[in-house]
Amino acid sequence: KAGVTQTPRYLIKTRGQQVTLSCSPISGHRSVSWYQQTPGQGLQFLFEYFSETQRNKGNFPGRFSGRQFSNSRSEMNVSTLELGDSALYLCASSPRGGREGREQFFGPGTRLTVL
Amino acid sequence: AQSVTQLGSHVSVSEGALVLLRCNYSSSVPPYLFWYVQYPNQGLQLLLKYTSAATLVKGINGFEAEFKKSETSFHLTKPSAHMSDAAEYFCAVMPENNNDMRFGAGTRLTVKP
Repeated sequence: KAGVTQTPRYLIKTRGQQVTLSCSPISGHRSVSWYQQTPGQGLQFLFEYFSETQRNKGNFPGRFSGRQFSNSRSEMNVSTLELGDSALYLCASSPRGGREGREQFFGPGTRLTVL
Repeated sequence: AQSVTQLGSHVSVSEGALVLLRCNYSSSVPPYLFWYVQYPNQGLQLLLKYTSAATLVKGINGFEAEFKKSETSFHLTKPSAHMSDAAEYFCAVMPENNNDMRFGAGTRLTVKP
């Protein structure tokens, strides 16, 4: 099976712009989670989508949003970019079924730089 | 909220030496626990997971971890370090009822020749 793919891999934006990142989960996986990784804050949970519905949300401002499509692909959007949004954004997919389906499989990430 | 604490942001070992990376969790109910490894400019790769089936969990690349409820610990070990083990390692906890995975701050492992 192909792994989790994320596009683009690298992105440079300026303050005030908005950005959309894309994630394609492993085939058959219905849960997609997003994480932000920065040197200062480490790995932080943004949100999880399952069957096109946001199931959980981390402690991020409303500028961070996401959605999931019927084929389980997911996008996250950050509006009005700030310098502090520079980070590696990781997407993870999970089958989310039973005790054996709880691990998450991560994509390579999108490196966002805000100038 | 559940959380994990990784003791030691940097660990350095010699090639062939024992690797021990420490992780303690805070939870009243045995959760799901994971160890992930991250190589530079890459995503996270699952090393192993604890799902209450067995307290000693064997993972990939010769790593294993032991769940100790009395100590609320889930330390990662490998008997003999290899140069290719140099990376950042993350311990993570996930509650029973959702996929909100909480990561530790990470431990950077350096392997000296």
